[in-house]
Amino acid sequence: KNQVEQSPQSLIILEGKNCTLQCNYTVSPFSNLRWYKQDTGRGPVSLTIMTFSENTKSNGRYTATLDADTKQSSLHITASQLSDSASYICVVRPLGGGGNKLTFGTGTQLKVEL
Amino acid sequence: GAVVSQHPSRVICKSGTSVKIECRSLDFQATTMFWYRQFPKQSLMLMATSNEGSKATYEQGVEKDKFLINHASLTLSTLTVTSAHPEDSSFYICSARDPRGEQFFGPGTRLTVL
Repeated sequence: KNQVEQSPQSLIILEGKNCTLQCNYTVSPFSNLRWYKQDTGRGPVSLTIMTFSENTKSNGRYTATLDADTKQSSLHITASQLSDSASYICVVRPLGGGGNKLTFGTGTQLKVEL
Repeated sequence: GAVVSQHPSRVICKSGTSVKIECRSLDFQATTMFWYRQFPKQSLMLMATSNEGSKATYEQGVEKDKFLINHASLTLSTLTVTSAHPEDSSFYICSARDPRGEQFFGPGTRLTVL
């Protein structure tokens, strides 16, 4: 069964600090892996997308890494801001016929405090 | 990037009434749209796949007579929650699949059934 597990479940950090969120997946083969940011009461917004052949992708203060051998991905947030407080979801798109059905992680709830 | 809208963003209704939620792809045609449901602090759960011009495909455990889906055009899918009850209160999110196969999410609709 395809699974995506994220850790930690929740995280509190001080403004200006860095943090790293983890994602372990069993989906194989896969088309791509995305990290989404979901603010409370809003839909998910894509931060980064990586195919299986990519190791890292940056988007401003967000940097995602991918290790296809260990089936792990991470999202690193640099110099956190209060507006970074949100749920961060790792989503894997399978390759092939099951490509329509995305596999969602349970998310990491990040809170950035003063 | 691709934009998906939902309407309404919030709706409050009385128990027993029906509620329609619209999902539109604003700058691309989507032969396939998806409807998700999200409970607090949980990830998105796929309810059904909406195919333009044909019947929707429902996930196991989702009542097709309760959650009516219509995908009448390449840019519009609707979800109607029939005879809504308080347990139907949730956050409903749609996504639209672009020609490359990528899904883009709408901003979500908060349904509260009194």
